Amino acid sequence: AAGVIQSPRHLIKEKRETATLKCYPIPRHDTVYWYQQGPGQDPQFLISFYEKMQSDKGSIPDRFSAQQFSDYHSELNMSSLELGDSALYFCASSLVGTSGGIEQFFGPGTRLTVL
Amino acid sequence: AQSVAQPEDQVNVAEGNPLTVKCTYSVSGNPYLFWYVQYPNRGLQFLLKYITGDNLVKGSYGFEAEFNKSQTSFHLKKPSALVSDSALYFCAVRAWMDSSYKLIFGSGTRLLVRP
Repeated sequence: AAGVIQSPRHLIKEKRETATLKCYPIPRHDTVYWYQQGPGQDPQFLISFYEKMQSDKGSIPDRFSAQQFSDYHSELNMSSLELGDSALYFCASSLVGTSGGIEQFFGPGTRLTVL
Repeated sequence: AQSVAQPEDQVNVAEGNPLTVKCTYSVSGNPYLFWYVQYPNRGLQFLLKYITGDNLVKGSYGFEAEFNKSQTSFHLKKPSALVSDSALYFCAVRAWMDSSYKLIFGSGTRLLVRP
């Protein structure tokens, strides 16, 4: 079965650079979620999109933005990167429209390292 | 406040012995509970969930969890641990917060199964 795809899997950036993380949800899933997991921490919710509209916002810094495109893939854009942005970024998808989106399916994550 | 607690940072068990990873929750309304496993540098893998019905839920890789409403617990169990079960385990609850449902994670428990 198809799973959530994230790219790239690893990314190394310098401070103050920008980064773009991509997420391809499970086919027919209508909702995408982004999470940030710092070293030794639990995943923290950043933002979510339902049917290409932002549906919820968590602890996402103003330097970050995200969107969901017409093909339902999502991109997380991160600017003015800081050392503290180094983390594992997860994308998850769910089907809210017909099943209530109870279960979220997670991608493998993108490990961002800011030097 | 809606929350999930995993009281043990680490659980050590010998291979072949039963294991238990503890989780307690605090949410209003009926909880939707999940267990995920994370191997080093990997994404979150779904193990099992409780939505409604039988309090004993069976999941992937021989794991099971027991929902106890009176104790607000959802402990993860396995009758016979394998060395390959060594990983980081997260309990999560779907809770209504800030006008939407969110997935709230516990702090994680590292399971170490020794040969």
